[in-house]
Order: sequence, then C-alpha cells, then structure tokens
Amino acid sequence: KAGVTQTPRYLIKTRGQQVTLSCSPISGHRSVSWYQQTPGQGLQFLFEYFSETQRNKGNFPGRFSGRQFSNSRSEMNVSTLELGDSALYLCASSANTASYEQYFGPGTRLTVT
Amino acid sequence: AQTVTQSQPEMSVQEAETVTLSCTYDTSESDYYLFWYKQPPSRQMILVIRQEAYKQQNATENRFSVNFQKAAKSFSLKISDSQLGDAAMYFCAYRGNNDMRFGAGTRLTVKP
Repeated sequence: KAGVTQTPRYLIKTRGQQVTLSCSPISGHRSVSWYQQTPGQGLQFLFEYFSETQRNKGNFPGRFSGRQFSNSRSEMNVSTLELGDSALYLCASSANTASYEQYFGPGTRLTVT
Repeated sequence: AQTVTQSQPEMSVQEAETVTLSCTYDTSESDYYLFWYKQPPSRQMILVIRQEAYKQQNATENRFSVNFQKAAKSFSLKISDSQLGDAAMYFCAYRGNNDMRFGAGTRLTVKP
C-alpha cells in the first residue's frame, strides 16, 4: 500500500496570506489527524477527522481549520498567516479510531516570511 | 490535562549495546494508549511500538520493548542490540479520549 502523502512538501508564504495543505491517507484509512511540529513547542495536535467529521480539536486559534472529504482525503487551512505559523505540518492516518495506530506522512514544511 | 514528559533530551549508546529511554505521563483517564515513535533525521515519523493501558503485559517488537508501569504512569522504551539505524529522535505519545499528546523527544545517538 502507498503511504500517507502530503502536498506540497515545501511552501513559502508571506504574513497575512492564507495556505491550504493537503493529505491523502493510506488506502482504507478513514481517520486523519494533523499536527504542528516546531523546535520550540514540539509536536502539537491540531485536529482529528473521521468519516468527514471533526472528532477532536487541539488548542489552536480559529485561523486553523480543516476538513475531510468523502474519499478520506483531508485539507487544512491557515488564514492570516503569522511568522509563528512557520512549522512542519504532519498528517497521520489510521484505519479506525479504536487502535489509534497512526501512520505519518512526510510533512509539509511551511515558512512564513 | 494530559502531559507527557521525556526527561532525557539526549541519549547515547554504543552499537550493539542496550539503551532505555524514559517517559512519564499524567492522566486521570483509565483507558488510553501509549506509543513510541521514531523520527530519523529529515525522514518521516515511524511507529515503533504501542501499548494499551488495559494490558498488563509489556509490548515487544523485535529489539524494542517497553516497561509499562501503569500505577507509576511510566512508559520506558528499551532498545536492545542497538544499530546505527536506530539513531533518531524518539517521541513518547499518549492517546486518550480527546487527543494525542507527545513528549518533547529524546535524541538518540548510536556510536559505532
């Protein structure tokens, strides 16, 4: 099976812009979670989707949003970008919400200038 | 709130030796999952091992094993016969009802 894919892999944006990141889970996986990884804050949970429904949300401002489509692909959007949003954004998929065994994608490296 | 603490920012081990990485967590939940993930330099996160809190038996995956002490809220990872390819950041993670929380990570260096 193909692994979790994330596009784009690298992105440079300017403060105030918005950005959309995409994640395609492993075939058959219905749960997708998003994380932000920074040197200062480490890995922080953004949100989790299962069957197009957001199940959980981390402690991030409303500028961070996401959605999941019927084919389990997911997108996350960050509006009004700030310098502090520069990070590696990781997507992880799992087959269900019973085992929580997650498989991570390579991430999208977002740089905000 | 659940917190995950990895008290060792860096660890070093000689090739073929054994090393133990520490992790403690704080929670009021009774059912949860614990994980160790490995993140090699510039490569993606890989699941190393998983432990269900309701299981008393410690999980084992080849050279990787855990020491799960539920009462002490401790979840350490033992890597036996260390190999150069084990060099990476290791993250301990807690999954409860609402979210997944990660520790700050331990950078493991393997010396030849």
